[in-house]
Amino acid sequence: GDSVTQMEGPVTLSEEAFLTINCTYTATGYPSLFWYVQYPGEGLQLLLKATKADDKGSNKGFEATYRKETTSFHLEKGSVQVSDSAVYFCALSSTNAGKSTFGDGTTLTVKP
Amino acid sequence: GAVVSQHPSWVICKSGTSVKIECRSLDFQATTMFWYRQFPKQSLMLMATSNEGSKATYEQGVEKDKFLINHASLTLSTLTVTSAHPEDSSFYICSARGHRTDTQYFGPGTRLTVL
Repeated sequence: GDSVTQMEGPVTLSEEAFLTINCTYTATGYPSLFWYVQYPGEGLQLLLKATKADDKGSNKGFEATYRKETTSFHLEKGSVQVSDSAVYFCALSSTNAGKSTFGDGTTLTVKP
Repeated sequence: GAVVSQHPSWVICKSGTSVKIECRSLDFQATTMFWYRQFPKQSLMLMATSNEGSKATYEQGVEKDKFLINHASLTLSTLTVTSAHPEDSSFYICSARGHRTDTQYFGPGTRLTVL
């Protein structure tokens, strides 16, 4: 079945540091890939997505590139801020009719 | 666009009572809605998938008679926790997906505490 493996956390960085959160997947077919962010006490918000190989999703300074050859979708940001502190979930969706598969989430804390 | 609301945002109830949580898609028609449960510092656990006008599909290990899901319209799904017990205390999150799209949009979640 489909699966998503995320880099284990928690991750603690200083403000303006470079962020990478690794995500790899296994899936049948050609899934769409997503990153969601969850702030404390809230639901998940879609951060970015990519629907086919070599697509790059980007939003709010975050980027992730769909790498089919390495089955990866790593999340990056060049300079993190304290406000980026949250839990980040990588996810995939194999078909329009199917459910999504989520990683376990990675907690990011950014210190001033 | 693509806003999903949940109500209530938090609820406290006594053991043995039932609690209903509503999930609404405010600006799109949600052909499919999902209900998740999230324990502290843990990932999402999918409970069930519901398609408008049909019975929900429950994940293995989820009691369908305890967690009643109704998806009567394209903008509303409800989750009723029947005869709630303290172990049902959790953060419940819904998501909605429109027709011919693979993106889920999440509600803000409902914190349920059963005393």
